[in-house]
Order: sequence, then structure tokens, then C-alpha cells
Amino acid sequence: SQTIHQWPATLVQPVGSPLSLECTVEGTSNPNLYWYRQAAGRGLQLLFYSVGIGQISSEVPQNLSASRPQDRQFILSSKKLLLSDSGFYLCAWRGDRDNEQYFGPGTRLTVT
Amino acid sequence: EDQVTQSPEALRLQEGESSSLNCSYTVSGLRGLFWYRQDPGKGPEFLFTLYSAGEEKEKERLKATLTKKESFLHITAPKPEDSATYLCAVLNSGYALNFGKGTSLLVTP
Repeated sequence: SQTIHQWPATLVQPVGSPLSLECTVEGTSNPNLYWYRQAAGRGLQLLFYSVGIGQISSEVPQNLSASRPQDRQFILSSKKLLLSDSGFYLCAWRGDRDNEQYFGPGTRLTVT
Repeated sequence: EDQVTQSPEALRLQEGESSSLNCSYTVSGLRGLFWYRQDPGKGPEFLFTLYSAGEEKEKERLKATLTKKESFLHITAPKPEDSATYLCAVLNSGYALNFGKGTSLLVTP
């Protein structure tokens, strides 16, 4: 069965510091992968998606970037965090059956 | 532009009191409507996919239905463990799911 992991689970970072969040998927190959952000009082916002190694599409212009160095690894990064980057970051992969997406446990990021 | 609107924002039910959550959508070329359950501090959990008007799917006390403009999530005889935020999302011709803001459900004993 497929499993999706995210780490760290929680993170507190000062403004201006760098960021690296990691997502890995087990039990599937060449999945479509997604990064979402969920801010308080707002819906899930798609940040990036990837259909394969090295292939990244950005949905929202911002100071975040994403990379996919391996088939089942997806990384979200920033060189300098802003206060507005605080939120709950979710990684997801797309299933083959019904186009449904399966989410990881999330990373709670607080920028201070 | 695709839009997904969920109502009510919050719902409080007594255990056993059935009700429905609404998801209204506007999308060009619907390729699927999805329901998720999200517990506090956790990632959303996939529940259902619906594709065409008239389609229904059930899972335990939950039943999802779809029309051309909206979807309903019916909760029959809810229990306290059904308390969660329920999210609706649509998929159009692209890769991304477009989510509503969710309905926060609280079921009290």
C-alpha cells in the first residue's frame, strides 16, 4: 500500500531564515506530486505540482520554490521566510483510479 | 474562474440528528468532485469521488450526491467521532484540485 511522509511535523523559524520541507511517497512509482498551503480561515491553496523528476509547475508567484530530485521525493524551499509564509503545508500524490489526491500528515510552520 | 462554495461554515448536531452539507460549484469541464474529511492538525482524508449528475456514493453514515451545480454530503445518525471539517474540491481540465473552505461539523453526545 502507498504511504506518504512529511517532515518535520512542526517548525518555528524566524523571518528571513531558510526553509526546507520534505515529502516522500512509498509504494508507487512516478506519481504526480503536489504542495498545498492551508492558512487559518482559508481553503487549501495549491503551490506547486510535479509530474516527474525535475518537472515543477508553480501555481502562485511567491518566495517559495520546489524541487523533485528523485521520483518519490518532493521538496519545498525558501531562501528567506516571510511572516505570511506561516501555515499548514501539505504534500499530496495523485492516485491512478479516480484522480483523487492523497495527503500527507502536514507540516505546521510558524514564522516569527 | 472555477469556484467552490461550501455551506454552512459550521454545523453543530446532536448525536443521531441527520443533516446535509452543501458544496456549490462552477467549473468548466468537471472531471470530478471530491469530498475529504480533515481532523484538526492532520492532512485531509479522501472520502469520495463523483463524476456525473445523479451519481451517489456511500460510506458508513455518509452519502455523497451530485447534481450539475452542487453536491451534498448527507450524514445519517451522526456520532461524535464524525466531528471534523469536511472539504469539497473540484477537478477541471488541469492537474489541480480547487477546494472550498470547508464545513466544520461538531456532533455532541
